Amino acid sequence: AQKVTQAQTEISVVEKEDVTLDCVYETRDTTYYLFWYKQPPSGELVFLIRRNSFDEQNEISGRYSWNFQKSTSSFNFTITASQVVDSAVYFCALSAPNSGNTPLVFGKGTRLSVIA
Amino acid sequence: DSGVTQTPKHLITATGQRVTLRCSPRSGDLSVYWYQQSLDQGLQFLIHYYNGEERAKGNILERFSAQQFPDLHSELNLSSLELGDSALYFCASSVAGRVTGELFFGEGSRLTVL
Repeated sequence: AQKVTQAQTEISVVEKEDVTLDCVYETRDTTYYLFWYKQPPSGELVFLIRRNSFDEQNEISGRYSWNFQKSTSSFNFTITASQVVDSAVYFCALSAPNSGNTPLVFGKGTRLSVIA
Repeated sequence: DSGVTQTPKHLITATGQRVTLRCSPRSGDLSVYWYQQSLDQGLQFLIHYYNGEERAKGNILERFSAQQFPDLHSELNLSSLELGDSALYFCASSVAGRVTGELFFGEGSRLTVL
């Protein structure tokens, strides 16, 4: 079975600080996909990134960066120079399309509060 | 705008009642997924339809049912509602029958059971 653990329930930082959101996943499949979604206070789910299991290259997009390490089954998300608009709940998710009943398994989310 | 449309956006009803939530997927998407987000359970997968057929079922209660119609829109029916059914219900769509890429989520239908 697939599982995603986001151990940090809530994080609070001051604006301009860097913050890292942790994500640990479990799957026995060799082919899988990892995702991050953002849920701002308005409630919609916004896709941020997808990474497949064969591509461990880290990715940077503006102030966002993602560190994928298969050796530790982690897919961490870092926001550099955080801003108030980054305040949201962030979800890490896992898909193992060749097995399992759940198409996309979500972690319980990390609520990030960025204080001005 | 994800292109996925959910109606109604908000719904308030009483215990014991029945409601229907509707989802129109993005144009061209064949898969529809339903998820329930409650405060204590996070995002829970309910059910997945692909091109009109049920593909996978998650923790969906027997009081809940869903279907996908020939025009690919989907409806989630919730009956004999209980207070604990209060939640945000998301619909998502994708082109393929398996999740290898982004799921496009609607804005959700917020159900309040009083």
